[in-house]
Amino acid sequence: KQEVTQIPAALSVPEGENLVLNCSFTDSAIYNLQWFRQDPGKGLTSLLLIQSSQREQTSGRLNASLDKSSGRSTLYIAASQPGDSATYLCAPAGDAGNMLTFGGGTRLMVKP
Amino acid sequence: DGGITQSPKYLFRKEGQNVTLSCEQNLNHDAMYWYRQDPGQGLRLIYYSQIVNDFQKGDIAEGYSVSREKKESFPLTVTSAQKNPTAFYLCASRDRLTEAFFGQGTRLTVV
Repeated sequence: KQEVTQIPAALSVPEGENLVLNCSFTDSAIYNLQWFRQDPGKGLTSLLLIQSSQREQTSGRLNASLDKSSGRSTLYIAASQPGDSATYLCAPAGDAGNMLTFGGGTRLMVKP
Repeated sequence: DGGITQSPKYLFRKEGQNVTLSCEQNLNHDAMYWYRQDPGQGLRLIYYSQIVNDFQKGDIAEGYSVSREKKESFPLTVTSAQKNPTAFYLCASRDRLTEAFFGQGTRLTVV
């Protein structure tokens, strides 16, 4: 059974810092991995999707890398802003049902 | 607009009552999923369906039931057997190699 761990669980930083959020997973037999953002009381918004054959994906100030063999993914946020404050979730997608398995998330607070 | 719609946004259930949460998608996705989220927790899989008329239990299926009679629709029923149903429920859909899309969620409260 896939297990996903996200470190750190919570992070509070001043505006402008570059951030690294870590995600590790136990089963490397995945099709892809997706990073999401969740604002309080809301659904999940997709940030980046990395296919298993890719090493990284970029969207604006966000860059996600994937090392499938070691079961790790990293989300890099450049020049953080208060609007980036949210919970960030990673979810690898495996073979059985293509289901997404979620970690506990990293709760990010960016202070002005 | 293409997307996934959950309704209602808020739902209140009395003790012993069954309630049904709606999830509809117009993305032509084959797979649909139901997740439960408790405060400060990650998402846990309740049920998923890869194709019409077929569905499988997830990690916490007890006390829940689903149907998949149409590709676009995957309703979730929270039965009276679910003893602690108060939570935030999220529906998602995807195809195998594409990104998953989520609805805005239904917050269920037992009164």
